Amino acid sequence: DVKVTQSSRYLVKRTGEKVFLECVQDMDHENMFWYRQDPGLGLRLIYFSYDVKMKEKGDIPEGYSVSREKKERFSLILESASTNQTSMYLCASSQTTPKYEQYFGPGTRLTVT
Amino acid sequence: KQEVTQIPAALSVPEGENLVLNCSFTDSAIYNLQWFRQDPGKGLTSLLLIQSSQREQTSGRLNASLDKSSGRSTLYIAASQPGDSATYLCAVETTSGTYKYIFGTGTRLKVLA
Repeated sequence: DVKVTQSSRYLVKRTGEKVFLECVQDMDHENMFWYRQDPGLGLRLIYFSYDVKMKEKGDIPEGYSVSREKKERFSLILESASTNQTSMYLCASSQTTPKYEQYFGPGTRLTVT
Repeated sequence: KQEVTQIPAALSVPEGENLVLNCSFTDSAIYNLQWFRQDPGKGLTSLLLIQSSQREQTSGRLNASLDKSSGRSTLYIAASQPGDSATYLCAVETTSGTYKYIFGTGTRLKVLA
């Protein structure tokens, strides 16, 4: 079974802090994704990566950066956390598209105070 | 720009009823369509993936159909159970633009015992 894990289920940070969210997948998937999910807005793509050290911006990259130094690990970085980044963050992975399913991690509920 | 809509936003049914959830999309240029289940505060669990060349997929009590030309997919749940209560999301994988997967905002299902 594909397993996607995220470093924290719940996280509380202060405004202005630098925040790291980590995602690890164990199925040698090429593609990895970071989404945020907000009520009424659904899932929105922040960044995705289709290979090590490769990344592309999604719908809402502002205020975020990413790092993929190893194939299995994809990190989301909030350079200076703000209250409007309070959200559920979901990581996903898939084999090279088309045709293959996305598999999601359990999510990280981030609260910025 | 691809848009994905799910109607209704919420649905309550008595246990044992057969039900249909709807997903519509505006651009038929897709690689595949995926249905997910999400329990409160959790990540997404993949239910079914339909490739663009397929018309339907089945898994247990679930059957998903795809009509690309009309931009519609349905998820049929037979003999619903209280354990089916969750939010159901559909997502399409696009063939154009910078987006990979576009998600609907989901249908929140409650099955009453």
